[in-house]
Amino acid sequence: QVQLQESGPGLVKPSGTLSLTCAVSGGSISTSKWWSWVRQSPGKGLEWIAEIYHTGESNYNPSLKSRVTMSVDKSKNQFSLKLSPVTAADTAVYYCARIPGYRGGYRLGYFDSWGQGTLVTVSS
Amino acid sequence: DIQMTQSPSTLSASVGDRVTITCRASQIIRNWLAWYQQKPGKAPKLLIYDASSLESGVPSRFSGSGSGTEFTLTISSLQPDDFATYYCQHYNSYPWTFGQGTKVEIK
Repeated sequence: QVQLQESGPGLVKPSGTLSLTCAVSGGSISTSKWWSWVRQSPGKGLEWIAEIYHTGESNYNPSLKSRVTMSVDKSKNQFSLKLSPVTAADTAVYYCARIPGYRGGYRLGYFDSWGQGTLVTVSS
Repeated sequence: DIQMTQSPSTLSASVGDRVTITCRASQIIRNWLAWYQQKPGKAPKLLIYDASSLESGVPSRFSGSGSGTEFTLTISSLQPDDFATYYCQHYNSYPWTFGQGTKVEIK
């Protein structure tokens, strides 16, 4: 059974860069799955940020696209998120999650496995 | 973006009650809808996908229905473990978006 674990700084300064990594265990990242980031803040609820395939193909939420970069490291079986520059509005619990991929030729977009989440606070 | 609106925002119910939560999409999303359960301090857990398919391991008291723009999540007989917040999420088109959540409280 796949497990996902987020890691990264819990405190980031305003105008700085938020960097998180999600380690995938119990399965290879190089499968027909997509790998995603979702955040949750009291003010905005659950928000999908971006997703990436093991080939490096990625899709971003237009509301964050100008500030977000995702990458994948197949050798380490992990993927990463960078968000810059950050403001207090980016304070949230950040989850990494897996998307099943495809069924019958259709691209799926729901999240069937989640990491435990990591709180990132943007403050000076 | 497609807006997802859940109702009610809060629901008070007793163990054994039949509970129904509604999710409405601002555009037609066919059956590309998922439901999640979230408990405090935990990640969301997938319950239902494709509007009505039960995720493996999820109790059969959970069911989903609907298509187009209106969807429901039903818990046939509420159990103590079911008191939580429930979210719908569409995956019809980018960006995927979530409803604001429905908190199921003990009456």
